[in-house]
Amino acid sequence: EAGVTQFPSHSVIEKGQTVTLRCDPISGHDNLYWYRRVMGKEIKFLLHFVKESKQDESGMPNNRFLAERTGGTYSTLKVQPAELEDSGVYFCASSQSPGELFFGEGSRLTVL
Amino acid sequence: DAKTTQPPSMDCAEGRAANLPCNHSTISGNEYVYWYRQIHSQGPQYIIHGLKNNETNEMASLIITEDRKSSTLILPHATLRDTAVYYCIVRGIQGAQKLVFGQGTRLTINP
Repeated sequence: EAGVTQFPSHSVIEKGQTVTLRCDPISGHDNLYWYRRVMGKEIKFLLHFVKESKQDESGMPNNRFLAERTGGTYSTLKVQPAELEDSGVYFCASSQSPGELFFGEGSRLTVL
Repeated sequence: DAKTTQPPSMDCAEGRAANLPCNHSTISGNEYVYWYRQIHSQGPQYIIHGLKNNETNEMASLIITEDRKSSTLILPHATLRDTAVYYCIVRGIQGAQKLVFGQGTRLTINP
């Protein structure tokens, strides 16, 4: 069974550019979560989808971040325009309900 | 979600049991205790969870005190690959609630 997959594994962009991160959850998992870890800080929750609906987006830092999950399958997280403080590792996780979260390997974002 | 308190770091000799404590004195009756770990910069990995009874799986054992105010994760025979940051997380029983990560315990297994 394939796990949670994330793409790209690493992205390097300049300040002001746009980046889109993709997450493919485990097949059949209705719940999809985005998390972020910036250097030296804790892993922080960003948002939670149930199928295509945003269940909780309380962790989204600002309106430069846009998450979508059209069709309730894969999800994208777009950062536009990127700022230096957006650098970090973005993790995606999925779960059945109820159940433990399975995390992907993360997408490392470096903003120069 | 209830807050958890863990020691920032611990050391353990390879082959010995690693016992990681966690305090969650404000836990409520409808909250589970979950343990995850993050090895280097990989994605967090689920280890085990429990409500009030002790639990064991192929990775670890979870001992929850009778009053549920604290718990201990036990890795019975630690190996070098168990070096990681271990997170104790309290999570609501309803639905598929998010995990809230704290700072965790950095466990170092020494040869």
